[in-house]
Amino acid sequence: DQQVKQNSPSLSVQEGRISILNCDYTNSMFDYFLWYKKYPAEGPTFLISISSIKDKNEDGRFTVFLNKSAKHLSLHIVPSQPGDSAVYFCAATVASNTGKLIFGQGTTLQVKP
Amino acid sequence: GAGVSQSPSNKVTEKGKDVELRCDPISGHTALYWYRQSLGQGLEFLIYFQGNSAPDKSGLPSDRFSAERTGGSVSTLTIQRTQQEDSAVYLCASSLVRQNNQPQHFGDGTRLSIL
Repeated sequence: DQQVKQNSPSLSVQEGRISILNCDYTNSMFDYFLWYKKYPAEGPTFLISISSIKDKNEDGRFTVFLNKSAKHLSLHIVPSQPGDSAVYFCAATVASNTGKLIFGQGTTLQVKP
Repeated sequence: GAGVSQSPSNKVTEKGKDVELRCDPISGHTALYWYRQSLGQGLEFLIYFQGNSAPDKSGLPSDRFSAERTGGSVSTLTIQRTQQEDSAVYLCASSLVRQNNQPQHFGDGTRLSIL
């Protein structure tokens, strides 16, 4: 039972354009959503998060949008840079406040120069 | 170093052997988590520790898996009688406290291959 889904295994964009990574979830008890970025042979690195009571959070080139009614969130990267090429994981935490992360399968982003 | 440290970085072993994976969390972080990533999959939660509280073992896939955290710092994940399906990257993460809005900091993982 996949509670967090990233339906696009890969995405390719041109440098300077916008990258949009999508994530769907099924559990209405999720209270925080997080995005992690992972390079090969390295551990995931935290990028940005959003509380379930918000609909947008922005940090530099990264913006996360949350649509609770659709149980959907997205990560926008503007402008995309070649160094952004990595696997992006969407994750969520349940409101029991354990900190336990439930991850999606990941989307591989390739930014072409 | 200042980050989460895991050892070994790679481990190849024969089916049926026991393996032990080690995690050194960031100093001062009270919460420690273990995840694993199988080929082509997302990260799967295994177990977490918070201070002196009883660990949450709800993600451990079988009783061949166990973990401990000594002195509230270093943690070891032990897999007994390894099977081929145990092949994965095992990742450890730590956070300041066990709270949902606290980002977790990950180590680079141990890549475990069972022959």
